[in-house]
Amino acid sequence: DVKVTQSSRYLVKRTGEKVFLECVQDMDHENMFWYRQDPGLGLRLIYFSYDVKMKEKGDIPEGYSVSREKKERFSLILESASTNQTSMYLCASSPRDRGDYGYTFGSGTRLTVV
Amino acid sequence: SQQGEEDPQALSIQEGENATMNCSYKTSINNLQWYRQNSGRGLVHLILIRSNEREKHSGRLRVTLDTSKKSSSLLITASRAADTASYFCATGFGGYQKVTFGIGTKLQVIP
Repeated sequence: DVKVTQSSRYLVKRTGEKVFLECVQDMDHENMFWYRQDPGLGLRLIYFSYDVKMKEKGDIPEGYSVSREKKERFSLILESASTNQTSMYLCASSPRDRGDYGYTFGSGTRLTVV
Repeated sequence: SQQGEEDPQALSIQEGENATMNCSYKTSINNLQWYRQNSGRGLVHLILIRSNEREKHSGRLRVTLDTSKKSSSLLITASRAADTASYFCATGFGGYQKVTFGIGTKLQVIP
């Protein structure tokens, strides 16, 4: 029973393309997050959202934007893909008012930009 | 910016042995969490310990937290080959349940 679903496991895009990474959760969580994971750097927060149509920048938002039109869906957009955005992208969700609740992650999307 | 740092970065043990991983962090936290990641997959939440707790158990997992030393440890007892994975500590702080992840410890359990 998958609770956080990322639309693609593997994706190959060309430099300059606009790329959409989709994430859907079925747990009615308020908070949703996008991370990228790179060897030696761990997970770095790109953007997060704590409610519909709300978004906050994380540690590395440059080159990315997000959209949250519905509670269950949080999209990451690479406006013009570049090779340095080749990475594993991980989406996660958590309930807002449960300070004792961890994140639920999706399986990840491995994006290669050529 | 990484808040937590795991130590060691890699660990190799025999099946049946215990595995201990440590995490140090820099600022005040609300909670500390441990996650497991199997190769190329998403992270799975293992256990969360609040800042006012000192020890917590879940099955074969034991987590300790020392806020005075800003450190935590994860002990996996009687390890199995299936425990082979990367383990991350994550510190929760501020609002919106934001967490910051460390770089991880890669654990290999040899059958």
